[in-house]
Amino acid sequence: QSVLTQPPSASGTPGQRVTISCSGSSSNIGSNTVHWYQHLPGTAPKLLIYSNNQRPSGVPDRFSGSKSGTSASLAISGLQSEDEADYYCAAWDDSLNGHWAFGGGTKLTVL
Amino acid sequence: QVQLQESGPGLVKPSQTLSLTCTVSGGSISSGSYYWNWIRQPAGKGLEWIGRIYTSESTNYNPSLKSRVTISIDTSKNQFSLKLSSVTAADTAVYYCARPRGAYCSDGSCYWSDAFDLWGQGTMVTVSS
Repeated sequence: QSVLTQPPSASGTPGQRVTISCSGSSSNIGSNTVHWYQHLPGTAPKLLIYSNNQRPSGVPDRFSGSKSGTSASLAISGLQSEDEADYYCAAWDDSLNGHWAFGGGTKLTVL
Repeated sequence: QVQLQESGPGLVKPSQTLSLTCTVSGGSISSGSYYWNWIRQPAGKGLEWIGRIYTSESTNYNPSLKSRVTISIDTSKNQFSLKLSSVTAADTAVYYCARPRGAYCSDGSCYWSDAFDLWGQGTMVTVSS
């Protein structure tokens, strides 16, 4: 059972816009920045969004992040087949001497 | 450019200790004020943070694993290591080492990001007799 809550699945057709939510609490998302990772099978996770809404160089601007209170969202616009992957949110949790918390992951299917 | 590479046994017997090493190449493990992290993904499950270590040997661990985890660092070898004791089948996973992004600048101001920007390729560890 993950500290951060994500929907287990999401889907969309090419060109659509999809959003993935991430819900936490005052000790994690409410106090710290949120990061998003894209994970393709057999590869290492890739940092997609950091510090709520920053994109590393090379990440298309189709990907965007936002945070409000104890929740965060990842939005993908102009959905492409190569976006089919698992997406994880993460935030530092200040409780219990501090630790990283991940969401359970959302499997995105491009129909 | 800096790269991370995990190494260690791919098979560990139940009740024994899992030991992995992450070798940092292309840069010094002592530079940049980074915390060095271990993260795993059990088969069919999500990512789970295990713990982290700073070059000062300060550590933080996942509360659910804390009693079984030890992370250490050897700056002379540019490596940090993970030991997980009393393993069971539930510890079967792909294990990754990772480093945060570090300093970045946006809109004229500079900040520090602890997001995991650099990952090793991962190593599969199976716990089985």
